[in-house]
Amino acid sequence: QKEVEQNSGPLSVPEGAIASLNCTYSDRGSQSFFWYRQYSGKSPELIMSIYSNGDKEDGRFTAQLNKASQYVSLLIRDSQPSDSATYLCAVKSSQGNLIFGKGTKLSVKP
Amino acid sequence: NAGVTQTPKFQVLKTGQSMTLQCAQDMNHNSMYWYRQDPGMGLRLIYYSASEGTTDKGEVPNGYNVSRLNKREFSLRLESAAPSQTSVYFCASSLVRAEKLFFGSGTQLSVL
Repeated sequence: QKEVEQNSGPLSVPEGAIASLNCTYSDRGSQSFFWYRQYSGKSPELIMSIYSNGDKEDGRFTAQLNKASQYVSLLIRDSQPSDSATYLCAVKSSQGNLIFGKGTKLSVKP
Repeated sequence: NAGVTQTPKFQVLKTGQSMTLQCAQDMNHNSMYWYRQDPGMGLRLIYYSASEGTTDKGEVPNGYNVSRLNKREFSLRLESAAPSQTSVYFCASSLVRAEKLFFGSGTQLSVL
């Protein structure tokens, strides 16, 4: 069974700080990687996708991918209380299915 | 543009009752999915339809059936509900299989 692992948290950061969320995956053949944000009681919302090694930036969000280490991360710069949510890492396996991690709960304190 | 619409939002069933969750998308997506989300278990794939006319089992298909009615609609049926099926159910769709999923607002189902 392909696995995607995340620290469940909660991860607590002060407002304005950088939040770092990490994810590891077991399927070395994975090629597509995604980060979803899920507010409490709401549905997941896609915020980042990354396909090649390195960094991809979108506003305050940076996704980082290291396929050799089977590691994906999401950095949130200048964290705001509105960023408080659960962040789900998702990996498209070599068999073509999207596997979700259990999520990391982020709390940004004013 | 409604995106992915699923109904109902809430449902309470008694053990053994049946029901169908409806899902429709207006984004002309090819692939559609049903997930369940339980505390501590994350999102688990029940069934998916990679394209119109095809359906396949996901990680937790037991106790469920699906129908891809047309390109827009993908329904999930519980034939004989069990308390273990108490969960939040999400429908999702994507243009390409297992890439950039868009989710519906969810159905909170309780089976007593």
